[in-house]
Amino acid sequence: KAGVTQTPRYLIKTRGQQVTLSCSPISGHRSVSWYQQTPGQGLQFLFEYFSETQRNKGNFPGRFSGRQFSNSRSEMNVSTLELGDSALYLCASTFGGGSGETQYFGPGTRLLVL
Amino acid sequence: DQQVKQNSPSLSVQEGRISILNCDYTNSMFDYFLWYKKYPAEGPTFLISISSIKDKNEDGRFTVFLNKSAKHLSLHIVPSQPGDSAVYFCAASVTGTYKYIFGTGTRLKVLA
Repeated sequence: KAGVTQTPRYLIKTRGQQVTLSCSPISGHRSVSWYQQTPGQGLQFLFEYFSETQRNKGNFPGRFSGRQFSNSRSEMNVSTLELGDSALYLCASTFGGGSGETQYFGPGTRLLVL
Repeated sequence: DQQVKQNSPSLSVQEGRISILNCDYTNSMFDYFLWYKKYPAEGPTFLISISSIKDKNEDGRFTVFLNKSAKHLSLHIVPSQPGDSAVYFCAASVTGTYKYIFGTGTRLKVLA
Protein backbone atom coordinates (compact mmCIF):
# COMPACT_ATOMS: atom_id res chain seq x y z
CA LYS A 1 0.00 0.00 0.00
CA ALA A 2 1.41 3.40 -0.93
CA GLY A 3 2.10 5.76 1.93
CA VAL A 4 1.04 9.35 2.42
CA THR A 5 2.34 11.57 -0.34
CA GLN A 6 2.84 15.31 -0.28
CA THR A 7 3.60 17.70 -3.10
CA PRO A 8 5.63 19.68 -3.64
CA ARG A 9 8.50 18.61 -1.38
CA TYR A 10 10.17 22.01 -1.41
CA LEU A 11 8.86 25.47 -2.09
CA ILE A 12 10.30 28.97 -2.03
CA LYS A 13 7.93 31.93 -1.92
CA THR A 14 8.18 35.62 -1.09
CA ARG A 15 6.28 37.56 1.52
CA GLY A 16 2.74 38.41 0.52
CA GLN A 17 2.35 35.52 -1.89
CA GLN A 18 0.05 32.58 -1.32
CA VAL A 19 0.80 28.88 -1.48
CA THR A 20 -1.15 25.66 -1.87
CA LEU A 21 0.16 22.34 -0.59
CA SER A 22 -1.28 18.96 -1.47
CA CYS A 23 -1.62 15.70 0.44
CA SER A 24 -2.79 12.28 -0.72
CA PRO A 25 -3.61 9.94 2.17
CA ILE A 26 -3.09 6.21 2.34
CA SER A 27 -5.71 4.44 0.25
CA GLY A 28 -8.83 3.87 2.36
CA HIS A 29 -7.95 6.53 4.91
CA ARG A 30 -10.56 9.24 5.18
CA SER A 31 -9.08 11.47 7.86
CA VAL A 32 -6.31 13.92 7.00
CA SER A 33 -4.58 16.19 9.51
CA TRP A 34 -2.12 18.98 8.84
CA TYR A 35 0.73 20.12 11.10
CA GLN A 36 3.34 22.85 11.04
CA GLN A 37 6.77 22.00 12.37
CA THR A 38 9.23 24.74 13.28
CA PRO A 39 12.48 24.40 15.26
CA GLY A 40 11.78 24.21 18.98
CA GLN A 41 8.00 24.16 18.54
CA GLY A 42 7.36 20.56 17.74
CA LEU A 43 4.38 19.76 15.56
CA GLN A 44 1.60 22.31 15.81
CA PHE A 45 -1.85 21.08 14.78
CA LEU A 46 -3.44 23.07 11.97
CA PHE A 47 -6.68 21.23 11.13
CA GLU A 48 -8.28 17.85 10.51
CA TYR A 49 -10.65 16.82 7.75
CA PHE A 50 -12.91 13.81 7.40
CA SER A 51 -15.27 13.22 4.50
CA GLU A 52 -14.70 16.76 3.21
CA THR A 53 -15.61 18.31 6.59
CA GLN A 54 -13.27 20.12 8.95
CA ARG A 55 -13.78 18.57 12.37
CA ASN A 56 -11.17 20.43 14.37
CA LYS A 57 -8.72 23.25 13.92
CA GLY A 58 -5.74 24.58 15.81
CA ASN A 59 -4.83 28.10 16.87
CA PHE A 60 -3.65 29.50 13.58
CA PRO A 61 -4.78 32.72 11.87
CA GLY A 62 -7.39 32.66 9.13
CA ARG A 63 -4.63 32.93 6.52
CA PHE A 64 -4.29 29.18 6.96
CA SER A 65 -7.10 27.22 5.36
CA GLY A 66 -7.69 23.78 3.99
CA ARG A 67 -10.09 21.56 2.21
CA GLN A 68 -10.65 17.92 1.43
CA PHE A 69 -11.96 16.39 -1.75
CA SER A 70 -14.30 13.45 -2.23
CA ASN A 71 -11.34 11.15 -2.88
CA SER A 72 -9.91 12.16 0.56
CA ARG A 73 -7.04 14.13 -0.97
CA SER A 74 -6.48 17.36 0.91
CA GLU A 75 -4.99 20.74 0.24
CA MET A 76 -3.92 23.49 2.57
CA ASN A 77 -3.54 27.08 1.55
CA VAL A 78 -1.63 29.89 3.19
CA SER A 79 -2.40 33.38 1.96
CA THR A 80 -0.36 36.56 2.44
CA LEU A 81 2.74 34.66 3.43
CA GLU A 82 4.89 35.95 6.28
CA LEU A 83 8.53 35.15 7.06
CA GLY A 84 7.37 33.21 10.13
CA ASP A 85 5.43 30.80 7.93
CA SER A 86 8.70 29.18 6.90
CA ALA A 87 8.38 25.66 8.22
CA LEU A 88 7.95 22.00 7.42
CA TYR A 89 4.29 21.26 6.73
CA LEU A 90 3.27 17.69 7.42
CA CYS A 91 0.11 15.87 6.69
CA ALA A 92 -0.99 12.64 8.30
CA SER A 93 -3.80 10.22 7.57
CA THR A 94 -5.83 7.68 9.51
CA PHE A 95 -8.83 5.57 8.66
CA GLY A 96 -11.34 7.42 10.82
CA GLY A 97 -9.29 9.94 12.77
CA GLY A 98 -10.53 8.83 16.15
CA SER A 99 -8.47 8.41 19.28
CA GLY A 100 -6.83 5.01 19.30
CA GLU A 101 -5.85 5.25 15.66
CA THR A 102 -2.29 5.72 14.50
CA GLN A 103 -1.53 8.66 12.27
CA TYR A 104 0.75 7.97 9.33
CA PHE A 105 2.76 10.91 8.11
CA GLY A 106 3.92 12.03 4.72
CA PRO A 107 7.46 13.32 4.10
CA GLY A 108 6.38 16.93 4.40
CA THR A 109 6.63 20.07 2.31
CA ARG A 110 9.40 22.43 3.32
CA LEU A 111 8.30 26.01 2.72
CA LEU A 112 10.78 28.87 2.75
CA VAL A 113 9.39 32.40 2.72
CA LEU A 114 11.84 35.11 1.68
CA ASP B 1 -0.32 26.40 26.74
CA GLN B 2 1.87 23.36 26.08
CA GLN B 3 -0.28 20.40 27.08
CA VAL B 4 2.39 17.85 26.17
CA LYS B 5 5.95 18.56 27.28
CA GLN B 6 9.26 16.93 26.55
CA ASN B 7 11.57 18.75 28.90
CA SER B 8 14.82 17.24 27.62
CA PRO B 9 15.70 18.65 24.21
CA SER B 10 18.53 16.17 23.78
CA LEU B 11 19.92 12.94 25.17
CA SER B 12 23.12 11.00 24.47
CA VAL B 13 23.44 7.30 25.23
CA GLN B 14 26.12 4.70 24.58
CA GLU B 15 25.30 1.92 22.13
CA GLY B 16 23.88 -1.12 23.91
CA ARG B 17 22.64 0.85 26.92
CA ILE B 18 19.08 1.87 27.71
CA SER B 19 17.61 5.10 26.35
CA ILE B 20 14.79 6.64 28.40
CA LEU B 21 12.79 9.44 26.86
CA ASN B 22 10.26 11.26 28.99
CA CYS B 23 7.02 13.08 28.32
CA ASP B 24 4.68 14.93 30.69
CA TYR B 25 1.15 16.06 30.02
CA THR B 26 -1.32 18.32 31.76
CA ASN B 27 -4.69 17.28 30.32
CA SER B 28 -6.15 14.40 32.32
CA MET B 29 -8.64 13.76 29.49
CA PHE B 30 -5.93 12.37 27.20
CA ASP B 31 -6.72 8.70 26.64
CA TYR B 32 -4.29 7.66 23.91
CA PHE B 33 -0.58 8.27 23.63
CA LEU B 34 1.90 7.65 20.85
CA TRP B 35 5.62 7.90 20.22
CA TYR B 36 7.08 8.85 16.86
CA LYS B 37 10.62 8.90 15.54
CA LYS B 38 11.73 11.48 13.02
CA TYR B 39 14.81 11.62 10.83
CA PRO B 40 15.80 14.85 9.08
CA ALA B 41 13.93 15.53 5.83
CA GLU B 42 11.40 12.77 6.57
CA GLY B 43 7.97 12.67 8.16
CA PRO B 44 7.57 11.18 11.65
CA THR B 45 7.38 7.38 11.79
CA PHE B 46 5.08 5.69 14.27
CA LEU B 47 6.89 3.64 16.93
CA ILE B 48 4.52 2.54 19.65
CA SER B 49 1.31 3.59 21.35
CA ILE B 50 -0.55 3.03 24.60
CA SER B 51 -4.14 3.43 25.69
CA SER B 52 -4.91 5.03 29.05
CA ILE B 53 -6.40 1.74 30.27
CA LYS B 54 -2.90 0.22 30.23
CA ASP B 55 0.28 1.15 32.03
CA LYS B 56 2.77 -0.63 29.78
CA ASN B 57 3.11 -1.68 26.17
CA GLU B 58 6.04 -3.48 24.58
CA ASP B 59 7.13 -3.93 21.00
CA GLY B 60 10.54 -5.47 20.52
CA ARG B 61 13.20 -3.12 21.86
CA PHE B 62 10.62 -0.41 22.60
CA THR B 63 8.51 -0.19 25.74
CA VAL B 64 6.20 2.64 26.70
CA PHE B 65 5.19 3.19 30.32
CA LEU B 66 2.23 5.31 31.37
CA ASN B 67 1.81 6.73 34.87
CA LYS B 68 -1.61 8.38 34.87
CA SER B 69 -1.41 9.70 38.42
CA ALA B 70 1.79 11.54 37.56
CA LYS B 71 0.61 12.39 34.04
CA HIS B 72 3.87 11.01 32.74
CA LEU B 73 4.89 8.60 30.06
CA SER B 74 8.26 7.31 29.05
CA LEU B 75 9.77 5.41 26.15
CA HIS B 76 12.48 2.87 26.88
CA ILE B 77 14.74 1.62 24.11
CA VAL B 78 16.82 -1.43 25.00
CA PRO B 79 19.44 -1.96 23.72
CA SER B 80 20.05 1.36 22.01
CA GLN B 81 21.54 1.24 18.52
CA PRO B 82 23.20 3.97 16.43
CA GLY B 83 20.26 3.79 13.98
CA ASP B 84 18.00 4.94 16.81
CA SER B 85 19.59 8.38 16.63
CA ALA B 86 16.70 10.67 15.69
CA VAL B 87 14.23 13.12 17.17
CA TYR B 88 11.48 11.45 19.22
CA PHE B 89 8.06 13.01 19.67
CA CYS B 90 5.36 11.98 22.08
CA ALA B 91 1.75 12.76 21.21
CA ALA B 92 -1.58 12.53 22.98
CA SER B 93 -5.23 12.68 22.06
CA VAL B 94 -8.70 12.77 23.57
CA THR B 95 -11.42 10.55 22.12
CA GLY B 96 -13.76 12.56 19.93
CA THR B 97 -11.48 15.55 19.34
CA TYR B 98 -9.80 14.19 16.18
CA LYS B 99 -6.71 16.09 17.26
CA TYR B 100 -3.28 14.96 18.37
CA ILE B 101 -1.11 17.19 20.56
CA PHE B 102 2.63 16.74 20.12
CA GLY B 103 5.52 17.52 22.38
CA THR B 104 8.50 19.54 21.18
CA GLY B 105 10.69 16.48 20.71
CA THR B 106 13.86 15.01 22.20
CA ARG B 107 16.91 14.50 20.02
CA LEU B 108 18.49 11.14 20.85
CA LYS B 109 22.07 10.45 19.92
CA VAL B 110 23.34 6.89 20.32
CA LEU B 111 27.11 6.81 20.44
CA ALA B 112 28.93 3.85 18.90
